[in-house]
Amino acid sequence: NAGVMQNPRHLVRRRGQEARLRCSPMKGHSHVYWYRQLPEEGLKFMVYLQKENIIDESGMPKERFSAEFPKEGPSILRIQQVVRGDSAAYFCASSFLTGGDTEAFFGQGTRLTVV
Amino acid sequence: KNQVEQSPQSLIILEGKNCTLQCNYTVSPFSNLRWYKQDTGRGPVSLTIMTFSENTKSNGRYTATLDADTKQSSLHITASQLSDSASYICVVSATGTASKLTFGTGTRLQVTL
Repeated sequence: NAGVMQNPRHLVRRRGQEARLRCSPMKGHSHVYWYRQLPEEGLKFMVYLQKENIIDESGMPKERFSAEFPKEGPSILRIQQVVRGDSAAYFCASSFLTGGDTEAFFGQGTRLTVV
Repeated sequence: KNQVEQSPQSLIILEGKNCTLQCNYTVSPFSNLRWYKQDTGRGPVSLTIMTFSENTKSNGRYTATLDADTKQSSLHITASQLSDSASYICVVSATGTASKLTFGTGTRLQVTL
């Protein structure tokens, strides 16, 4: 059973371009969470999705950021018109159930660099 | 506002020595507390998870304690190894969905010869 797979591992974008980050959850997991980790900071929650639904996007910036988790295929975090401040590591986690005591498993992250 | 604070920010110890990392939190309503290990350039990996009623939990050379009254937790590492060099992150979950996790900024541990 492969773990949570994120790709690409590293992504370089020029200011104004779009960045697409992909996350394939563990087999059987239907809950996906995205986190952002700025340099020297802790992980910050962005969005929680279930298949085809956004459950909680309270941590997502209001503009330029969007996320989806289609019925088929990976979850996608999309950042439009990237700026230097978007440079960070983006981690995806997945879980089988939801609930505060559920174990969430993390992927290796995508390191986005905006130049 | 839910917060998790960890100390020290960084720590250097000799291989074979023990160390203790601290975590204070103000998360409500409390559900559970986890310790994660994050190697450089990798995703966090869970070490322990403790609920309100648990005081201590061990995972090999890692032992976590929880005092829910004072809202403090510690992670004790015994007989450290070079491979223990990593960031150790305290994560507190509020009741509700698994999205309600508050992450500390971590303690960066370096084990040297």
